Amino acid sequence: QQPVQSPQAVILREGEDAVINCSSSKALYSVHWYRQKHGEAPVFLMILLKGGEQKGHEKISASFNEKKQQSSLYLTASQLSYSGTYFCGSNFGNEKLTFGTGTRLTIIP
Amino acid sequence: GAGVSQSPRYKVAKRGQDVALRCDPISGHVSLFWYQQALGQGPEFLTYFQNEAQLDKSGLPSDRFFAERPEGSVSTLKIQRTQQEDSAVYLCASSLALSSPDVGELFFGEGSRLTVL
Repeated sequence: QQPVQSPQAVILREGEDAVINCSSSKALYSVHWYRQKHGEAPVFLMILLKGGEQKGHEKISASFNEKKQQSSLYLTASQLSYSGTYFCGSNFGNEKLTFGTGTRLTIIP
Repeated sequence: GAGVSQSPRYKVAKRGQDVALRCDPISGHVSLFWYQQALGQGPEFLTYFQNEAQLDKSGLPSDRFFAERPEGSVSTLKIQRTQQEDSAVYLCASSLALSSPDVGELFFGEGSRLTVL
């Protein structure tokens, strides 16, 4: 049931864009996105709910295709502070999150 | 405090010892979650409380793992007779859980890193 993320890792130069994908084999109620820096706690980025509602930070955008059970996180004009490992979390309507395999993002100057 | 607090931050145990990990969630947060994170992996769900009720413990790997939240605030994760495979970071998260069945934004603590020798 663990969501699969792609790519597993990506290296960007500052200012470049990236897309991180998350696929589930099971119907989703919502998708969450978190970023975790090395040795730190995961930090909330966004929730995408079934039906199109989104809650999150202004500088982050994402999409949720309910039919395909997929979500994508869009990082534009990347900054050094965007570095970290990104996790999607799938909610199947049972009040818990199942986190994905992770995508490690490295931003270089 | 303003965030989720976990203690100890680091724990080294000899195989066979019992350990207790504490989580102090954000005041007023109804839901509390425990996750286990192995090196280089995503957090894996262990158990979930709503107030003092443990509603889901399906992720606990064995009967050596036990969690409680007796007064609906502070929670303790106890691991009995620790094994080397228990070595991991144990993350606690809390949420307001106002929009069930979605869990809402999870606020994570910095975790307790357990090393079993």
